[in-house]
Amino acid sequence: EVQLVESGGGLVQPGRSLKLSCAASGFTFSNYYMAWVRQAPKKGLEWVATISTSGSRTYYPDSVKGRFTISRDNAKSSLYLQMNSLKSEDTATYYCARHVATTYWYFDFWGPGTMVTVSS
Amino acid sequence: DIQMTQSPPSLSASLGDKVTITCQASQNINKYIAWYQQKPGKAPRLLIRYTSTLESGTPSRFSGSGSGRDYSFSISNVESEDIASYYCLQYDNLPTFGGGTKLELK
Repeated sequence: EVQLVESGGGLVQPGRSLKLSCAASGFTFSNYYMAWVRQAPKKGLEWVATISTSGSRTYYPDSVKGRFTISRDNAKSSLYLQMNSLKSEDTATYYCARHVATTYWYFDFWGPGTMVTVSS
Repeated sequence: DIQMTQSPPSLSASLGDKVTITCQASQNINKYIAWYQQKPGKAPRLLIRYTSTLESGTPSRFSGSGSGRDYSFSISNVESEDIASYYCLQYDNLPTFGGGTKLELK
């Protein structure tokens, strides 16, 4: 059974940093592109980052480019999101998600999410 | 970036109704659209990929259609378990979601 479990969320002050983790199991992690998707309270879904199977290629929307860094450790079947210079508008539930294939970038499995609150 | 305009933002339906949600892309997305269902406090669930292909486990009362820039998602014979929010996602380019549609019971 595919499982994705996020951790590392919490309350953080504006301008500070936070690192999220996602533990994957039930599939060959190194064969899949992985992503982070977020959802602000009572708002819609926003794709935040994607990483290739080897980790050599990363992709971001303009809203987080230069502040967020996605990475992975295939030996540990783990995905990470380093978030720097956090802003109040980064407050959201962050989901770890699996891309279905390298050429088709929709998401087939999601974790339950971890909440990040950016506030002083 | 491709923008996805989803409508309506909310929808009220009675059990047994047919409802339709639309998404319009800012450019041709070549049928690369997926639809998700999200219940409160839960992660999204993939229902449909490539415009109209139902995922395993998706009831047949769900359907999708469209081409070019314009796409639609329908639920025929709405059931109580269908009360949720629905999102479209284009994946022809870097992924972008529609704004969502909240389906409520009338």
